[in-house]
Amino acid sequence: QSALTQPASVSGSPGQSITISCTGTSSDVGTYNYVSWYQQHPGKAPKLMIYDVSNRPSGVSNRFSGSKSANTASLTISGLQAEDEADYYCTSYTSSSTYVFGTGTKVTVL
Amino acid sequence: EVQLVESGGGLVQPGESLRLSCEASGFSFRNYWMSWVRQAPGKGLEWVANIKEDGSERNSVDSVKGRFTISRDNAKNSLYLQMNSLRAEDTAVYYCARGYPWAYWGQGTLVTVSS
Repeated sequence: QSALTQPASVSGSPGQSITISCTGTSSDVGTYNYVSWYQQHPGKAPKLMIYDVSNRPSGVSNRFSGSKSANTASLTISGLQAEDEADYYCTSYTSSSTYVFGTGTKVTVL
Repeated sequence: EVQLVESGGGLVQPGESLRLSCEASGFSFRNYWMSWVRQAPGKGLEWVANIKEDGSERNSVDSVKGRFTISRDNAKNSLYLQMNSLRAEDTAVYYCARGYPWAYWGQGTLVTVSS
């Protein structure tokens, strides 16, 4: 049950697009479409941004999108805004009937 | 309005026990899986355990197996986490979260394990 691998940090200028990767194995990301993404601002509870690889909950900006290829899932933020600066975590269901989070990515808006 | 309110955190010594509670309101609690997720200070999120709507299925991360027990009382709209044999590495903010995907989270309760 090793954590999924995410880049420690990603940065971009306002208006740009950035992509955060989330690499797992055939026992989690590669097999299941139960991949979700969470945004967390300091001192706050996580917020669901994407679920089931590419679905966006109501109320979440359409600037956020998700995808998956083989063992790697990705979160893309387009039209980067200052409010997007936060930590982002992916998570996946696993073959052990558990869930595993990614290592987390700090997004900085330059 | 969906609300999840955790309680029961505090400072304990290694080897001691603690029971966390999560009181739910604003939705039909008995119809949802529930999870506990934790976050050590300055670290990432870690899924801890979940429990099926009727309590008939429970799953947990390897690091807490045999020490932590998740349970629920649907009559009281409450989720619990019984934590035994606590270790320093269990120090974290513990969140309860509804269902999957986890669209609703509590505010968290801090557990500190230290001598």
